[in-house]
Amino acid sequence: SQKIEQNSEALNIQEGKTATLTCNYTNYSPAYLQWYRQDPGRGPVFLLLIRENEKEKRKERLKVTFDTTLKQSLFHITASQPADSATYLCALYSSNTGKLIFGQGTTLQVKP
Amino acid sequence: EAQVTQNPRYLITVTGKKLTVTCSQNMNHEYMSWYRQDPGLGLRQIYYSMNVEVTDKGDVPEGYKVSRKEKRNFPLILESPSPNQTSLYFCASKGTGGAIGYTFGSGTRLTVV
Repeated sequence: SQKIEQNSEALNIQEGKTATLTCNYTNYSPAYLQWYRQDPGRGPVFLLLIRENEKEKRKERLKVTFDTTLKQSLFHITASQPADSATYLCALYSSNTGKLIFGQGTTLQVKP
Repeated sequence: EAQVTQNPRYLITVTGKKLTVTCSQNMNHEYMSWYRQDPGLGLRQIYYSMNVEVTDKGDVPEGYKVSRKEKRNFPLILESPSPNQTSLYFCASKGTGGAIGYTFGSGTRLTVV
């Protein structure tokens, strides 16, 4: 069956360090993958999109990699700040179904 | 400001009493969708609409209805709510062009007692 897996355990890091979040998937051939940020009780906010033929995408302190062989995406926040504390969701778009499917998210806590 | 607006933000209702959650977007987006979010289950798609008068079931459509009479509005209707529909609901929209992000509303927290 199709699955998207994000680490359900919260990631706790010190301010200034690089946070790395993982998104693994099985039985998908996604056309592209997206990352969203979600604060408690609020709607997800779109951050970055990476296509299946792209290896890496950057936006300011954010970097996303996409390895279709490993079926994995890594999401990096460099020089992390307490304001980066939130839940981060990965989402896969399947061109077969035309749907965007979300992982359950990983909560990041950045301590000062 | 470009946004998706949901109302109400919070709603407590009783089993069986019909309710509507409204969703409106001001970005002229063709695609709109409803999700529910539950602890441990993540975001699950209820219904979506590719354009006016076109709606399709998502992964968890049972107990819900939608309509898309105008491009900007996509209301979610619960004809006879039950306690298992207690959840956090999000409306989202997306323009054409394929690989672009979704814009989400602020959410509606629904409690059915």
